Amino acid sequence: GQNIDQPTEMTATEGAIVQINCTYQTSGFNGLFWYQQHAGEAPTFLSYNVLDGLEEKGRFSSFLSRSKGYSYLLLKELQMKDSASYLCAVTNDYKLSFGAGTTVTVRA
Amino acid sequence: DTEVTQTPKHLVMGMTNKKSLKCEQHMGHRAMYWYKQKAKKPPELMFVYSYEKLSINESVPSRFSPECPNSSLLNLHLHALQPEDSALYLCASSQEYQQGAGEQYFGPGTRLTVT
Repeated sequence: GQNIDQPTEMTATEGAIVQINCTYQTSGFNGLFWYQQHAGEAPTFLSYNVLDGLEEKGRFSSFLSRSKGYSYLLLKELQMKDSASYLCAVTNDYKLSFGAGTTVTVRA
Repeated sequence: DTEVTQTPKHLVMGMTNKKSLKCEQHMGHRAMYWYKQKAKKPPELMFVYSYEKLSINESVPSRFSPECPNSSLLNLHLHALQPEDSALYLCASSQEYQQGAGEQYFGPGTRLTVT
């Protein structure tokens, strides 16, 4: 089975940094995705990690440790528009399985 | 064009109605997916089509019937739904269905309410 855990909610101030952790225990592993989903909208792709280490893409970075079953998404220089749900998702040979999502609220 | 489109955006239907959800992509992707998402929950996979053939059915009740008429289109036919089927239905596509799902592009979804 698939077990993907991430915090339910996080709050941060505009301009700050927030780190969203994700731990997973899955049958098979071919990569880990982070998606952003604004309320009532479709998930949009943020990052993909298949090897251990840090992937940086602008204000967003994602880290993976396969041996620990752990990933994090780092959001820097937070903006109000970053208020959204962030979904950690693990893919195996079969399908993409999502965590429950972390709702990030950015305050002025 | 990196867009997946879905129609309608909103749908209200009675338990005896028959309706269809439509999804379209023109990215040349050969894998297409239907997901169901309840409020404050993650998307749950329903069906996967690969090269227009049904590859995965996640034990979805037969009142949901998928169809892939061609490589760009994916339909979900609905019949005799229950109120608990009310949810956001998301369509997604990816280049291939191999070694897992790959990067998926999601459509905006159809918000379905069953009365």
